[in-house]
Amino acid sequence: AQRVTQPEKLLSVFKGAPVELKCNYSYSGSPELFWYVQYSRQRLQLLLRHISRESIKGFTADLNKGETSFHLKKPFAQEEDSAMYYCALRANTGGFKTIFGAGTRLFVKA
Amino acid sequence: DGGITQSPKYLFRKEGQNVTLSCEQNLNHDAMYWYRQDPGQGLRLIYYSQIVNDFQKGDIAEGYSVSREKKESFPLTVTSAQKNPTAFYLCASNRAGELFFGEGSRLTVL
Repeated sequence: AQRVTQPEKLLSVFKGAPVELKCNYSYSGSPELFWYVQYSRQRLQLLLRHISRESIKGFTADLNKGETSFHLKKPFAQEEDSAMYYCALRANTGGFKTIFGAGTRLFVKA
Repeated sequence: DGGITQSPKYLFRKEGQNVTLSCEQNLNHDAMYWYRQDPGQGLRLIYYSQIVNDFQKGDIAEGYSVSREKKESFPLTVTSAQKNPTAFYLCASNRAGELFFGEGSRLTVL
């Protein structure tokens, strides 16, 4: 069965500190992994996807198939990074549905 | 202004009544999705549609129904059979794996 696990409901860090939001998944095939972000009073939107291998707003995420993880990292957190972050998995068969983790709220303190 | 439009933003319903949430898109995307967002549970997939006149159940379809008569529209009906309908509902469309979300509809059952 497909599952996405985000173990931390809340993560609080100081401005300038490194941040890592954890995501683990279970899927029998080769999934596509995403991070979506929801800033206050804004729509949920894509932050990055593993196939693009980009750094967006200083965030990176590496797909580790051995550990079935897709952790989101940023070396120096900014106050504007405070938001709700969701890890998501898109199946490559069976309708290509996308499932989400429970989300992690990141709070960056000044 | 392109995107996903959901209406109404807020809706109150008495127990035993059906209610329909509207979702319209002008992005020309084939696939559309309905998610339910509850605190601490992330987004859970209700129904999705890959193409007009076709749709599949997601993980929590019981008590919900959908139709996809037009590419632009994917309405969700919350029936009286849904045991816990008070929630925030998000509609999305898909292009090349990326989901584009509406602003959501908050349903409260009195």
